[in-house]
Amino acid sequence: GENVEQHPSTLSVQEGDSAVIKCTYSDSASNYFPWYKQELGKGPQLIIDIRSNMDKRQGQRVTVLLNKTVKHLSLQIAATQPGDSAVYFCAEKRELTGGGNKLTFGTGTQLKVEL
Amino acid sequence: ETGVTQTPRHLVMGMTNKKSLKCEQHLGHNAMYWYKQSAKKPLELMFVYNFKEQTENNSVPSRFSPECPNSSHLFLHLHTLQPEDSALYLCASRTADYEQYFGPGTRLTVT
Repeated sequence: GENVEQHPSTLSVQEGDSAVIKCTYSDSASNYFPWYKQELGKGPQLIIDIRSNMDKRQGQRVTVLLNKTVKHLSLQIAATQPGDSAVYFCAEKRELTGGGNKLTFGTGTQLKVEL
Repeated sequence: ETGVTQTPRHLVMGMTNKKSLKCEQHLGHNAMYWYKQSAKKPLELMFVYNFKEQTENNSVPSRFSPECPNSSHLFLHLHTLQPEDSALYLCASRTADYEQYFGPGTRLTVT
């Protein structure tokens, strides 16, 4: 199928705690997986990505894990801050028969960081 | 700022109107995309242009008509829309093979 499953749909954490978002993708040929953050009234912003030749990638307070065997992705945000409150999307890249590629997105996770 | 701009940011139109959305990038990217984002639904890919050629039309109704005159500009022409077409329309452009960068979107309301 074409779907990327993402959960939870909403997540509420206390400031300073970690937040974990998980995705399951379907195309075993996919080789690129970006994560986007979308704040209210703005377009999605790329925050971190991982390619299929890696199983872990770390950024500033964010870590993404990739398990190709079971087609699982996860995003961990450490030491959460109120500014992390947003909707987060995972995605997988798929090739197009006509050339180029497209991203198929998960359904999004609304993260709320509470003081 | 991602370097992808969209105008207008907000648009209200009647069902009999004709309007156009504009997207512009000067990042040197060769691929551009239109997405529709509705409440409670995943981002829906509408069209893909690769080196000014349309390479994907995701079963989009003909009342949406894209145009890509060059690699830096992308338009979405709208006519006889329906209220259910109200949504956030996002444009994105892509680097050589991987990263897609989104514009801020146009919030469209069809009355």
